[in-house]
Amino acid sequence: AQSVTQLGSHVSVSEGALVLLRCNYSSSVPPYLFWYVQYPNQGLQLLLKYTSAATLVKGINGFEAEFKKSETSFHLTKPSAHMSDAAEYFCAVRDAGNMLTFGGGTRLMVKP
Amino acid sequence: EPEVTQTPSHQVTQMGQEVILRCVPISNHLYFYWYRQILGQKVEFLVSFYNNEISEKSEIFDDQFSVERPDGSNFTLKIRSTKLEDSAMYFCASRTVTNYEQYFGPGTRLTVT
Repeated sequence: AQSVTQLGSHVSVSEGALVLLRCNYSSSVPPYLFWYVQYPNQGLQLLLKYTSAATLVKGINGFEAEFKKSETSFHLTKPSAHMSDAAEYFCAVRDAGNMLTFGGGTRLMVKP
Repeated sequence: EPEVTQTPSHQVTQMGQEVILRCVPISNHLYFYWYRQILGQKVEFLVSFYNNEISEKSEIFDDQFSVERPDGSNFTLKIRSTKLEDSAMYFCASRTVTNYEQYFGPGTRLTVT
């Protein structure tokens, strides 16, 4: 079965600093990987996805993620954090049955 | 931009009562899903639905749960006899046949007292 591990349930960065949210996965099939963002009291919004094309994926709001098969990782980065980036971020992998398996989430806090 | 919508946004019910959570998926989507997120825990898959039948379900989706597409637009999750541990945020999602990207609704917060 697929699984996703997100290292760090809470990450705090200063405004303007690099954001790095870690995601490692295990998958028995070629993975399709996703990052979702959840703002307070809202649903899950897709940030970006990897579907076996380019290994460096660009998403919305300046986020990008790099698929590294050798490390089974799909870390999310943003060069410069903005206050509006404060939210919870979820990494997910598509299961063989097409449902999503989510990681535990990382809450990003941005300090002024 | 098309969106998945869910009603109600918040439902409070007493233990043992039946609840129906409603979702309107995006109109050209044919795969539908329910997920739940217990407070402070990860988002968990419950069930997927395609071509008017369940295509996958998790261990969580036991006999007290059922899903239905009663008409051409709605997709419902019914919990027959709610338990305290059913308290969670329930998310509906949908996607097209060819695109694995799932679009999520804003969720229904279910509180069982």
